[in-house]
Amino acid sequence: KAGVTQTPRYLIKTRGQQVTLSCSPISGHRSVSWYQQTPGQGLQFLFEYFSETQRNKGNFPGRFSGRQFSNSRSEMNVSTLELGDSALYLCASGWDSSAFFGPGTRLTVL
Amino acid sequence: EDQVTQSPEALRLQEGESSSLNCSYTVSGLRGLFWYRQDPGKGPEFLFTLYSAGEEKEKERLKATLTKKESFLHITAPKPEDSATYLCAVQWNAGNMLTFGGGTRLMVKP
Repeated sequence: KAGVTQTPRYLIKTRGQQVTLSCSPISGHRSVSWYQQTPGQGLQFLFEYFSETQRNKGNFPGRFSGRQFSNSRSEMNVSTLELGDSALYLCASGWDSSAFFGPGTRLTVL
Repeated sequence: EDQVTQSPEALRLQEGESSSLNCSYTVSGLRGLFWYRQDPGKGPEFLFTLYSAGEEKEKERLKATLTKKESFLHITAPKPEDSATYLCAVQWNAGNMLTFGGGTRLMVKP
């Protein structure tokens, strides 16, 4: 099976802009989770979607949002970007009690 | 409060020098404990999931064990290619939300 794919792999944005990241899960997986990874805070959970519904939400401001489509593909959006949003954004695809990560999108905010 | 703590933060080993990494957790109602390997700039690579105290799993030079309060990742006769950051994470509520520890950066010198 193909693994989790994330696009784009790299992004450079400026403060105040918004960004949309995309994740395609492993075929057959209905759960998609998003994480933010920074050197200072490590890996932190953003939110999880299952069958197009948000099932869990982490402790991030409302500028961070997501959605899932009927084919299980997911997008996350960050509005009004701040310098501190620079990070590796990881998507995880899962079923039952499993989570397989994609390669991530490296977002740099200038 | 910290729910998942990994130690040590960094570990230097000579090739062939066996050692163990620790992951302690304080969540109640553990559903699963995950181990991942992460290379720089890449997404975490799934290694193991452990579900109940006393469970053990092995893969090549790695062996993971679980008690009611902690998990160990034992590395037997490591090679330089085992150098990476090893992450543990716990799953404690419904869904696929994972809470990660800070990771252990392992460096194996030839």
